[in-house]
Amino acid sequence: QKEVEQDPGPLSVPEGAIVSLNCTYSNSAFQYFMWYRQYSRKGPELLMYTYSSGNKEDGRFTAQVDKSSKYISLFIRDSQPSDSATYLCAMRGLITGGGNKLTFGTGTQLKVEL
Amino acid sequence: EAGVTQFPSHSVIEKGQTVTLRCDPISGHDNLYWYRRVMGKEIKFLLHFVKESKQDESGMPNNRFLAERTGGTYSTLKVQPAELEDSGVYFCASSLKEGARGAYNTEAFFGQGTRLTVV
Repeated sequence: QKEVEQDPGPLSVPEGAIVSLNCTYSNSAFQYFMWYRQYSRKGPELLMYTYSSGNKEDGRFTAQVDKSSKYISLFIRDSQPSDSATYLCAMRGLITGGGNKLTFGTGTQLKVEL
Repeated sequence: EAGVTQFPSHSVIEKGQTVTLRCDPISGHDNLYWYRRVMGKEIKFLLHFVKESKQDESGMPNNRFLAERTGGTYSTLKVQPAELEDSGVYFCASSLKEGARGAYNTEAFFGQGTRLTVV
């Protein structure tokens, strides 16, 4: 069983829709939860991060973490065609010498259509 | 400020050949990581340097892979001899000095990746 499960999609939505992306995980040691956005032929770019449980909002993006359920979400409001990309969830434990060793989901491919 | 740069962007080699990938991290970043994405799979950790020292190489697949970081600056990842299953996208990432408080202080910035195809 993978440590992090993520639906690969593809997910296609109309412009202006609310998008919900999700990941589940099994390792209770994970404390930092990130969402990366990756455009085609580019490297992953950090979009949002959350420490432990809770919500975090940044513009049109909201990240939620529910550690009791081992479930994280990314919501995109008023989605735009420029949001079309692959969204990767990633997570790691506390820094104890392991640096920023991240465990990734497979990524969800999102397409926002006009 | 220049980001993480990787060379080459794409490499096609025959099985049994040797390939060397290079990564130039962001200046001042002590931490350097190599990750790999095999088609259809998730991005997986390979190894982590702190300056010139290997901190964690638990993700290296086998001894055909050799990573070095000369003088704590750029890093190379050599695959010798390459096998078909080594095909994938190899990402390099760098981050600030370990131990800085807050996730953003240790945010890993990724390069664009090197797409390796072994035929």
